[in-house]
Amino acid sequence: KAGVTQTPRYLIKTRGQQVTLSCSPISGHRSVSWYQQTPGQGLQFLFEYFSETQRNKGNFPGRFSGRQFSNSRSEMNVSTLELGDSALYLCASSLYLGDYGYTFGSGTRLTVV
Amino acid sequence: KQEVTQIPAALSVPEGENLVLNCSFTDSAIYNLQWFRQDPGKGLTSLLLIQSSQREQTSGRLNASLDKSSGRSTLYIAASQPGDSATYLCAVETSGSRLTFGEGTQLTVNP
Repeated sequence: KAGVTQTPRYLIKTRGQQVTLSCSPISGHRSVSWYQQTPGQGLQFLFEYFSETQRNKGNFPGRFSGRQFSNSRSEMNVSTLELGDSALYLCASSLYLGDYGYTFGSGTRLTVV
Repeated sequence: KQEVTQIPAALSVPEGENLVLNCSFTDSAIYNLQWFRQDPGKGLTSLLLIQSSQREQTSGRLNASLDKSSGRSTLYIAASQPGDSATYLCAVETSGSRLTFGEGTQLTVNP
C-alpha cells in the first residue's frame, strides 16, 4: 500500500518567487493536512482539506494557500517567498476528519535564497 | 490554546536500557494522542495512536500510556537499540482536526 507521496523532495527558490508543493495521500484517505517544520518554531499547522474544501487554517499569512482536488491530491502554494519560509513542509493524510490518526509523507525541503 | 511539552529534550542511553519519554499537554479536551518518530531530515513515522477513551497502546517494544485527566502521556521503549536513535514527537489532536506537537525528545542509543 503506497504511503503519502510528496513532490518534489527538495527545492531552492529565490526571494520573491512563488512555489507549489504537491501531496498525494494514501489511497482512500480524504483528508490532507499541511505542516511547516523549522528549527525555531517546530511543527506548525498550516491548513487541512477535506472533500476539496479547506476545513481549518493555522496562523499563517495569506501568502500560504492550498487546494485539494477531487482525487484528494493536494497542492500548497507560497507566493512572494521570504527567507523565513525556508523549512521542511510536511503533508499528512487521514481517512476522514478527526480522530483517525495521521500518516505523514517524507516532506519537501524548501530553501529560499 | 493547547500547549504540548516533552521532557527530556535529549537523552543518551547505552544499548539495552529501558527508557521512558514524557509528554504533557495543557488542555485535556483531546480526540487522541499520537507518538511519532523522526529521523534527521526525514518525515514523521507514526508509532502509536491512543484514542481519548483508551489508556494505552502497545506495538512491539513500544508502549504508550495516556492519562487524559492529568494531561500526560509516556512512551516506554524496552531494550533500546542503536536503531531507535531518532527524535520522538508527541502530538495531540484537538477540535478542528489539527495536531499540536511538542518540541520532541532527541534519543541517542549508544552501542
